[in-house]
Amino acid sequence: DADVTQTPRNRITKTGKRIMLECSQTKGHDRMYWYRQDPGLGLQLIYYSFDVKDINKGEISDGYSVSRQAQAKFSLSLESAIPNQTALYFCATGAGANTGELFFGEGSRLTVL
Amino acid sequence: GQNIDQPTEMTATEGAIVQINCTYQTSGFNGLFWYQQHAGEAPTFLSYNVLDGLEEKGRFSSFLSRSKGYSYLLLKELQMKDSASYLCAVREDSSGSARQLTFGSGTQLTVLP
Repeated sequence: DADVTQTPRNRITKTGKRIMLECSQTKGHDRMYWYRQDPGLGLQLIYYSFDVKDINKGEISDGYSVSRQAQAKFSLSLESAIPNQTALYFCATGAGANTGELFFGEGSRLTVL
Repeated sequence: GQNIDQPTEMTATEGAIVQINCTYQTSGFNGLFWYQQHAGEAPTFLSYNVLDGLEEKGRFSSFLSRSKGYSYLLLKELQMKDSASYLCAVREDSSGSARQLTFGSGTQLTVLP
């Protein structure tokens, strides 16, 4: 079983719909992240959380919100999806402040029509 | 803020050596990371440099020059399975716990037989 699990893996939706992407981890890490990946643009940080009571905006947080329901769960929401949010979304976990090694989920491919 | 540059694409032959360069500009440097990402899969951690010099790990080595804002990933004895995108990521030194990774756009390496 994967240490970092994302659901759904693929989703097609329409403009204006609310979408939630879920992430759960069994690594026991405090730090969790949501990235989006677009062709030619690399990974861009949307939101990150260092514990259940800590939520921080990343580079491209507009149009997104997150919830850290437990140490092991971090969900990303698009309140009203738009076509330019079509992308591959990755959840990742990290062990601590002094390590940059991130462990990624397998990705959630979202298409907004 | 940070600016990270790496070539978009590279091609090399099986058994050869290839060097993937990464240059960066940052207001405060706290480590450089290389990740490998096969098509349709999650990125996986390859290496970490925080001090100048060469870090070797099997067929892969990573070099850092902080004064030049420069790193490279060296892949020896190339294998077909090394065909992937290689992501350079920089961690910026900042106060508190906000030491996040910023990723370059990635270098797509194709290994030919």
